[in-house]
Amino acid sequence: DSGVTQTPKHLITATGQRVTLRCSPRSGDLSVYWYQQSLDQGLQFLIQYYNGEERAKGNILERFSAQQFPDLHSELNLSSLELGDSALYFCASGRIVGDTGELFFGEGSRLTVL
Amino acid sequence: LAKTTQPISMDSYEGQEVNITCSHNNIATNDYITWYQQFPSQGPRFIIQGYKTKVTNEVASLFIPADRKSSTLSLPRVSLSDTAVYYCLLSTNAGKSTFGDGTTLTVKP
Repeated sequence: DSGVTQTPKHLITATGQRVTLRCSPRSGDLSVYWYQQSLDQGLQFLIQYYNGEERAKGNILERFSAQQFPDLHSELNLSSLELGDSALYFCASGRIVGDTGELFFGEGSRLTVL
Repeated sequence: LAKTTQPISMDSYEGQEVNITCSHNNIATNDYITWYQQFPSQGPRFIIQGYKTKVTNEVASLFIPADRKSSTLSLPRVSLSDTAVYYCLLSTNAGKSTFGDGTTLTVKP
């Protein structure tokens, strides 16, 4: 158990819909990272937050957005869903602002868009 | 961002030592090299991290030559449970974490 909690574990929805994925980091970790893992693209970095502020942005689509709340949990919002958005979405947390330390990953949220 | 290159797959047998090499020719001065292990449908798990020379922990060793353009993860005496995907990751203080394509290691009995 990494200490990172992600909900929901599974989600099935239709094209055009909007979903929210939630992540609770390990106690004491200020950084939260979001990754997308699909069959044909491997593990892609989406976005990082540190103590409530956006720290780094990767290959995140404009239809996707995220935020980190004062209690440090984070949400990833996916809108106008397309079939290609079907993937495993992982959240990771770390203790320091950079990621030179260990990242702890959750078990992921599997999104299926029909 | 600097890109990493790893072999797509490797096979080994139980009890053998496995070495997985990652190339990162354009590694930046402030990049650290981190390796993660991932089992199917699970999040990646940290194995080891280093900046230069050699790092060893209870599960693996990481060898980094002086020019830092490559690194080698060494797994001693692998078992069937070591069958997984192994990722080489360059981490910078900028916070962006770029995973490579990963190496699928299959350990056979």
